[in-house]
Amino acid sequence: AQSVAQPEDQVNVAEGNPLTVKCTYSVSGNPYLFWYVQYPNRGLQFLLKYITGDNLVKGSYGFEAEFNKSQTSFHLKKPSALVSDSALYFCAVRDKAGGFKTIFGAGTRLFVKA
Amino acid sequence: GAVVSQHPSRVICKSGTSVKIECRSLDFQATTMFWYRQFPKQSLMLMATSNEGSKATYEQGVEKDKFLINHASLTLSTLTVTSAHPEDSSFYICSATPGSGDSGETQYFGPGTRLLVL
Repeated sequence: AQSVAQPEDQVNVAEGNPLTVKCTYSVSGNPYLFWYVQYPNRGLQFLLKYITGDNLVKGSYGFEAEFNKSQTSFHLKKPSALVSDSALYFCAVRDKAGGFKTIFGAGTRLFVKA
Repeated sequence: GAVVSQHPSRVICKSGTSVKIECRSLDFQATTMFWYRQFPKQSLMLMATSNEGSKATYEQGVEKDKFLINHASLTLSTLTVTSAHPEDSSFYICSATPGSGDSGETQYFGPGTRLLVL
């Protein structure tokens, strides 16, 4: 069965500092991995995805994520946080052999202080 | 980029009435659309997968007679909450995937519909 764990309910970081939002996953086969961001009362916006190839994936708004197969992790990172990055972040996984069904993590709320 | 719209964005209805929510892919054809439900401060719960021209596939525990899904065209799926009750109050989000058939395709999400049943 597929599952996604986001171990931190909340991450606090000062503006200008690097940020990391953690994600680990479990799938029976090979994974497709996604990060989405959600602002209050809005749908989810796609940030980036890992399909194959380079383990470091670059996405929207300066975000990047590194796929680590041995640790089954896909942590989201940004070198310098902005106050406007404050939002709810979801990691999601899809089994390559399992069609389009996507499992979402519980979400991590990011607070960036000015 | 790919845009998905939902209508209405917010709806208040009386208990016992039915509510229809539309999900449209505006600039791409979506053979597959998904309906999610999100409770406050929680993650998305997949309710059903909607395929154009065929019956929706519901997740375990989701009542298909209560949450009617119709995927009438490659750009439109509707979710009808029948005989709504206060416990159906929630944030409903749809998503759509371009029809390449590649399971690595990105899901694009609508802005969500806030349903309040009084």
